[in-house]
Amino acid sequence: EPEVTQTPSHQVTQMGQEVILRCVPISNHLYFYWYRQILGQKVEFLVSFYNNEISEKSEIFDDQFSVERPDGSNFTLKIRSTKLEDSAMYFCASRWRDPPYNEQFFGPGTRLTVL
Amino acid sequence: SQQGEEDPQALSIQEGENATMNCSYKTSINNLQWYRQNSGRGLVHLILIRSNEREKHSGRLRVTLDTSKKSSSLLITASRAADTASYFCATDPNRDDKIIFGKGTRLHILP
Repeated sequence: EPEVTQTPSHQVTQMGQEVILRCVPISNHLYFYWYRQILGQKVEFLVSFYNNEISEKSEIFDDQFSVERPDGSNFTLKIRSTKLEDSAMYFCASRWRDPPYNEQFFGPGTRLTVL
Repeated sequence: SQQGEEDPQALSIQEGENATMNCSYKTSINNLQWYRQNSGRGLVHLILIRSNEREKHSGRLRVTLDTSKKSSSLLITASRAADTASYFCATDPNRDDKIIFGKGTRLHILP
């Protein structure tokens, strides 16, 4: 069964460093998303991406964040200068086509630890 | 209250008993989903119920949706130790692309 994959599973970085989190969505999906979950808290929406552009972003997704679909398979989240509060689990998700009635499929997550 | 709030926040039951978790939401939705998350791990999709459906079953899971009350329930029958996890409802609001998660119910199955 097709699935969303994410790499790495765990990323440790120093505060101020840039990180790139990678995702490979399901191949025929058209909509892509990033969510994050700070330890012990709920999953929060960061950004949605469709047709090679951001369709919606949350207040969390400030100028330090960017997303890219550099080729036909990868979808990346870049944090330019990491802060301690960026430590969280980051989930990528993809959706096949227009809402409604079709679910988002989530990857296993990348745990980002900022020291 | 937030879109997608689960109730109770925590639930401990004996193995073999049924576990019921509830979710309430505020805006109209396209569908509602339930996810499971083991501690520190990824999100496992359990079941999706569409706004025009009232009840759905999958194995030991039973989900109901009452759009007039803007609420849903997840019933896990004959609970097992492996069911110990956090359970989240996530709503797919109309006109929105993102899904919105609740804070979750922490379910603990006692041996």
